[in-house]
Order: sequence, then structure tokens, then C-alpha cells
Amino acid sequence: DGGITQSPKYLFRKEGQNVTLSCEQNLNHDAMYWYRQDPGQGLRLIYYSQIVNDFQKGDIAEGYSVSREKKESFPLTVTSAQKNPTAFYLCASSPLGGYGYTFGSGTRLTVV
Amino acid sequence: GESVGLHLPTLSVQEGDNSIINCAYSNSASDYFIWYKQESGKGPQFIIDIRSNMDKRQGQRVTVLLNKTVKHLSLQIAATQPGDSAVYFCAENTGTASKLTFGTGTRLQVTL
Repeated sequence: DGGITQSPKYLFRKEGQNVTLSCEQNLNHDAMYWYRQDPGQGLRLIYYSQIVNDFQKGDIAEGYSVSREKKESFPLTVTSAQKNPTAFYLCASSPLGGYGYTFGSGTRLTVV
Repeated sequence: GESVGLHLPTLSVQEGDNSIINCAYSNSASDYFIWYKQESGKGPQFIIDIRSNMDKRQGQRVTVLLNKTVKHLSLQIAATQPGDSAVYFCAENTGTASKLTFGTGTRLQVTL
């Protein structure tokens, strides 16, 4: 079955640590996206990538970094510079053109 | 499960009634619109989409209406069931770099 997989489902980070969230898709989609979701604020775009080895900042990129070394993979690193990282993180992919996003099941990140 | 929005607008309907969820979009140049359903602790799931050259599209128990004059989108769910309880998001493709812009969401509560 084709799909998009995020791992882990739950992640705990200590103050000052970097953590990496995984996102893998086997839909042969060119574009991939990372969103952050906080209560009452909908989905906010962190980073997106339309092609391997290229990515663009979204609306709230500060404190985050990404890479796109393979078409199938788009990991997100939450760095220590992100002051309020506790949130639900969603990865999505789509064919070029932005039509028909498919979302992963999300990663819940909590700072302890 | 995890809450996806503590302060979202909430629509309460009785089981068997029809539900109408509304969304105002921002960009008159948007040419594609999608409705997503998000259950607690999960990623959004595609429900139905519509292109700007249409004003109505029907799926199974769902209908999307598009009014470009007032930039308004609505999702109608017929014979609402307990399994329809979730947060519903509209999204628009503004045609810029293949990105969707998401609305804040509406929580649908189905009462028995």
C-alpha cells in the first residue's frame, strides 16, 4: 500500500537538545511539507520541498531545519533554537502543483 | 486521544441531522479547494475537493459548495453519524509554489 509514514508517534525532548522527526513516503510524490499544529491555530507551514536537494522556508521556519537527500524522505530537525517546540507535527506529500496532499499520522513532540 | 484544537469553533448536531460547516477563504486567485477531516491524534484525511471552475461537487454523503463572489466554501454532511465527529479544515491552493493554505478548523460534535 502506498502511504506516508511518520515516526516516532511520540517524542520527548530535553531542554537544549536537537531532535529529528522522520517522514517517509512511497507515493512517488515530488513535493513534501512539514506543518506544525497547536491547539486553536490550525496548520502552520514550517518547510517544504518540491525536488530533491532543494527546500524552502515556510511561515515558521525559525528553529527548524530539513534535508531532502532522497525523494522519499524529508526529515525535520527541531533545534535547541526553537523555544516552544511542544506541538503536533504533520508531514504531507503531494504531486507537483499542490493538489491532493496526503498526510502522515503525526508526531507529538513534548519538551520535558 | 490528543486534542487538536481546544478553542476551535464547534458545531453540535444530532445524529441523523445534516451538518453544514463553513469556511471563508482569503485569496480570490485560489483555484483549488479541499476539505479535510482530522480525528483526535491523527493526521488529516481527504474528504472532497473542488476546482474554481465549479460551484458544487458531491461525494458520498458530502457536498462541497463554492461561492467565489464572497469567497466562501461550505461542506455539507448528510445524515451525520457519530463517526463524523472530528475537526474539519478547509484548504485553498493559491497557485503559489504548490502550497495549500489551511483554515483554522471547525470541530463537529455529533450527539446521540
